[in-house]
Amino acid sequence: DIQMTQSPSSLSASVGDRVTITCRASEGIRNDLGWYQQKPGQAPKRLIYAASNLQSGVPSRFSGSGSGTEFTLTISSLRPEDFATYYCLHHNPYFLTFGGGTKVEIK
Amino acid sequence: QVQLQESGPGLVKPSQTLSLTCNVSGTSTYFGSYYWSWVRQPAGKGLEWIGRVYTTGTTHYNPSLKSRVTISVDTSKNQFSLSLNSVTAADTAVYYCARDDRVGLDYWGQGILVTVSS
Repeated sequence: DIQMTQSPSSLSASVGDRVTITCRASEGIRNDLGWYQQKPGQAPKRLIYAASNLQSGVPSRFSGSGSGTEFTLTISSLRPEDFATYYCLHHNPYFLTFGGGTKVEIK
Repeated sequence: QVQLQESGPGLVKPSQTLSLTCNVSGTSTYFGSYYWSWVRQPAGKGLEWIGRVYTTGTTHYNPSLKSRVTISVDTSKNQFSLSLNSVTAADTAVYYCARDDRVGLDYWGQGILVTVSS
């Protein structure tokens, strides 16, 4: 089974900071990865699909990059509404696997 | 706008079967063109994919749950269902249904809390 390892598991940042979250796959997964944001009490929301494609309606301060085994989600300038938990999700024709999550907290 | 809504009992006794249904509605749903997934999240923990079903009835399951899970679909009602048997307290979680557009999960239900307790 493919394992998805996210880092860090949590981080503290200030409004305006540039934030980068990493997701590593245990083997190559091409660009079959998306990023999700989850706020307390809410369902996750997709931000990025196919590693680098911005979901419709998502602000352009969010961006994704990578392929193969290493992927990053970048928030170029953190806004108050961005404090949340972020998950990567690998998909293939037979299963889906989430990363462990990264909680972005206010410094 | 596609909408998904989970329904089912909020309390299940240990060793019994957890059964949930997801109703899909909204314009441009194209129910038959997607996979439909279940995801769960224990309190304070991460997301776990349970499995998915295509409208042909084809299913894929998380290997860790495969022996206890059945996901089925009723295309006439735009619904799909989850059945998880022999539940324990470890199955207590918020359960989400979601649409799988083959590049991930694009629409989600609001989630339903299911507690396993006697």
